[in-house]
Amino acid sequence: NAGVTQTPKFQVLKTGQSMTLQCAQDMNHNSMYWYRQDPGMGLRLIYYSASEGTTDKGEVPNGYNVSRLNKREFSLRLESAAPSQTSVYFCASSDPRDRYSNQPQHFGDGTRLSIL
Amino acid sequence: AQKVTQAQTEISVVEKEDVTLDCVYETRDTTYYLFWYKQPPSGELVFLIRRNSFDEQNEISGRYSWNFQKSTSSFNFTITASQVVDSAVYFCALTLEMRNEKLTFGTGTRLTIIP
Repeated sequence: NAGVTQTPKFQVLKTGQSMTLQCAQDMNHNSMYWYRQDPGMGLRLIYYSASEGTTDKGEVPNGYNVSRLNKREFSLRLESAAPSQTSVYFCASSDPRDRYSNQPQHFGDGTRLSIL
Repeated sequence: AQKVTQAQTEISVVEKEDVTLDCVYETRDTTYYLFWYKQPPSGELVFLIRRNSFDEQNEISGRYSWNFQKSTSSFNFTITASQVVDSAVYFCALTLEMRNEKLTFGTGTRLTIIP
């Protein structure tokens, strides 16, 4: 099925460990996004990529790095994980030329990350 | 910067009752787009509706309806004859751009339908 695939679905890390969250989409979308969801905070944009080779900071970029490896893949890296980064992470993609464009962003199922 | 406020943190209603979820937004732009998403207990985000700022027509889809009022900067969501399957967290969101659709989300309303 077409869509956005995130791996892993769950992960537990110790403080100071590093990790990369993977995201891939097969809809040929130009734009990709990383959000984090915390209780009572809604979803907040961490980074986004408007096209292959470009990335920009969102609302809460501190402590994260991203790589737009190619048009399909957009990864999120935690270099030194902190308990404050415990969250559910969502990747999304979009393209205004998408024939399903009434749906603005297609979301992955999320990665639940716990930092001990 | 834009902002979306969902003042209702949690709502509980008995099954078959009607319920309205409030969404108030702030933006200085005249062109913007509003959305509602549903997040069931399984955790995924389900797109419900998109509304453009230049289209104030209300929308009805089955038991769901949306009331968009620019005069009060509100985009409220009503579920008629609620069902247990409607239990979820509902998010309202706003974007100014359709090319790079960075969404600003509200904090969500947790709706519990009591059987």
